[in-house]
Amino acid sequence: KAGVTQTPRYLIKTRGQQVTLSCSPISGHRSVSWYQQTPGQGLQFLFEYFSETQRNKGNFPGRFSGRQFSNSRSEMNVSTLELGDSALYLCASSLRTLTGELFFGEGSRLTVL
Amino acid sequence: TQLLEQSPQFLSIQEGENLTVYCNSSSVFSSLQWYRQEPGEGPVLLVTVVTGGEVKKLKRLTFQFGDARKDSSLHITAAQTGDTGLYLCADSYSGGGADGLTFGKGTHLIIQP
Repeated sequence: KAGVTQTPRYLIKTRGQQVTLSCSPISGHRSVSWYQQTPGQGLQFLFEYFSETQRNKGNFPGRFSGRQFSNSRSEMNVSTLELGDSALYLCASSLRTLTGELFFGEGSRLTVL
Repeated sequence: TQLLEQSPQFLSIQEGENLTVYCNSSSVFSSLQWYRQEPGEGPVLLVTVVTGGEVKKLKRLTFQFGDARKDSSLHITAAQTGDTGLYLCADSYSGGGADGLTFGKGTHLIIQP
């Protein structure tokens, strides 16, 4: 079966801009979570959506937001980009919320100049 | 806030050697997961352990969960170049108020031919 698909794979933005990343989960998975991965902090939880509702949110500023559509596809948005937002953004889908196996996409690598 | 410490941070060994990497938690694990992340890809789940003292084997990989459920080890026998990657441990909280998976920063493993 098709895995988790993230687009775009790579993107470059400048400070102050905003970015939207997309994630298509595995068919049948209703839980989608987002993580930020940086060399210094490792993988950090951003938020998790289940059936179009945000169920949990990590400790990130309000510039980071997301949503989930009725087909379980999810988007995350980062506004007013800062240099420190440069990271690999990973999306993961799951059959259950948080306690089950996570299936990760390949990630979207964001570079902020 | 739970902290997961992984050691060593970096490990480079020759093919055929054995190795062990560790994951220690500041609090009792709910359930411990080990992931492997290869360059340019998202993490892939290797195993989930739940019961203190549990040992699971996955071909040449042996996962051990401490009796007190605060530590875990991953032992690789006769390492192969295909074992190269970032090994991550993670804990998940079940029930309300979950914060997503908490990840350690990982062990970067390089197996040289």
